Amino acid sequence: SQKIEQNSEALNIQEGKTATLTCNYTNYSPAYLQWYRQDPGRGPVFLLLIRENEKEKRKERLKVTFDTTLKQSLFHITASQPADSATYLCALDPAGGSYIPTFGRGTSLIVHP
Amino acid sequence: DADVTQTPRNRITKTGKRIMLECSQTKGHDRMYWYRQDPGLGLRLIYYSFDVKDINKGEISDGYSVSRQAQAKFSLSLESAIPNQTALYFCATSDPGTGGRRANYGYTFGSGTRLTVV
Repeated sequence: SQKIEQNSEALNIQEGKTATLTCNYTNYSPAYLQWYRQDPGRGPVFLLLIRENEKEKRKERLKVTFDTTLKQSLFHITASQPADSATYLCALDPAGGSYIPTFGRGTSLIVHP
Repeated sequence: DADVTQTPRNRITKTGKRIMLECSQTKGHDRMYWYRQDPGLGLRLIYYSFDVKDINKGEISDGYSVSRQAQAKFSLSLESAIPNQTALYFCATSDPGTGGRRANYGYTFGSGTRLTVV
């Protein structure tokens, strides 16, 4: 069955460092991969979308990579700040045009001052 | 005003009661969705609608129904609430893109409704 894996353990880092979160998937061939940020009790907020033919995408301090051979996406936040503390979800869109993603369970990031 | 508005924000109801959660959007998107989120289980799709006349079941539709009253409004009903429907519920919208090319952005979510069934 299709499976999306995000580290269930929280990632703790010091302010100023680069945070790297991982999204692995199996039995799936997504055409697109998305990353969202979610604060406690709030709805997810879309951050970035990367297509299967794109290796890397950047937006300000964010960088996403998408390796369809490894079946993995890495999400980087450079120069992290305490305000970046949140849960980050990856979501995989299938090919075919429905564009209904399957969401991972998310990884909590805690940035310490 | 928020792009996607959900009401109520919080609700406590009794087992067996009928309850409706409402969602309205100002994004002008045709596609709308209802998800529930449980600790440790992530977001699961309940129902989705690609336009006013197109409504589809998601992975966990049992015990739920929906109504798409207009492009901007999509309501979720629990006909007879049960305690294991206690969860955080989210409405979302999306724009798939045009000309066969997927848009470069994802879903817009509402702030959620925290529902407790006692």
